Amino acid sequence: NAGVTQTPKFRILKIGQSMTLQCAQDMNHNYMYWYRQDPGMGLKLIYYSVGAGITDKGEVPNGYNVSRSTTEDFPLRLELAAPSQTSVYFCASSYSQGGTQKVDYFGAGTRLSVL
Amino acid sequence: GQQLNQSPQSMFIQEGEDVSMNCTSSSIFNTWLWYKQDPGEGPVLLIALYKAGELTSNGRLTAQFGITRKDSFLNISASIPSDVGIYFCAGGGNNDMRFGAGTRLTVKP
Repeated sequence: NAGVTQTPKFRILKIGQSMTLQCAQDMNHNYMYWYRQDPGMGLKLIYYSVGAGITDKGEVPNGYNVSRSTTEDFPLRLELAAPSQTSVYFCASSYSQGGTQKVDYFGAGTRLSVL
Repeated sequence: GQQLNQSPQSMFIQEGEDVSMNCTSSSIFNTWLWYKQDPGEGPVLLIALYKAGELTSNGRLTAQFGITRKDSFLNISASIPSDVGIYFCAGGGNNDMRFGAGTRLTVKP
């Protein structure tokens, strides 16, 4: 198993550009998540998905969109990049049979700078 | 929203010493989890706790789920240089998790 794979590892965007951060997992996990990590801070949840076709907002969803058309893939879209979106983005996945949450695996992260 | 307060922010210890860090919240959680993050990597799950009062070990690591469900601690015994990193607590709710700001551990050989 490759686990959780994120691409790209690094990206620099200009203000107003758009991009998609890719995330794939090969463990047949039903739950997938996107977190952002700012320097010296904990991870903040952007969006999550409990299964294909189902997504929901987390703590900091503004400026982002997601889709979950398959169990394996959970891309994160930035439509109009802003400097406040400079951060490290982590995708994660877990298997849960209901409710109580535990993130099992994180990807290695995407380091994004918006200039 | 649910806030987690993790302390201490950083620790500098000598190899062989024991370490203790904790996390508190004003809200109750269904799960408490502890992760370690190495530079340039994603967090790795160390210990997951599911019941109030639960005490779980993973090698030299021991963590407990507080009986009020609002706190948790992590102990590392006999620290070694590879314990260096940032340790995060996380509280699990019904469909999401909240993370503490992390404890940065430095171990001097």
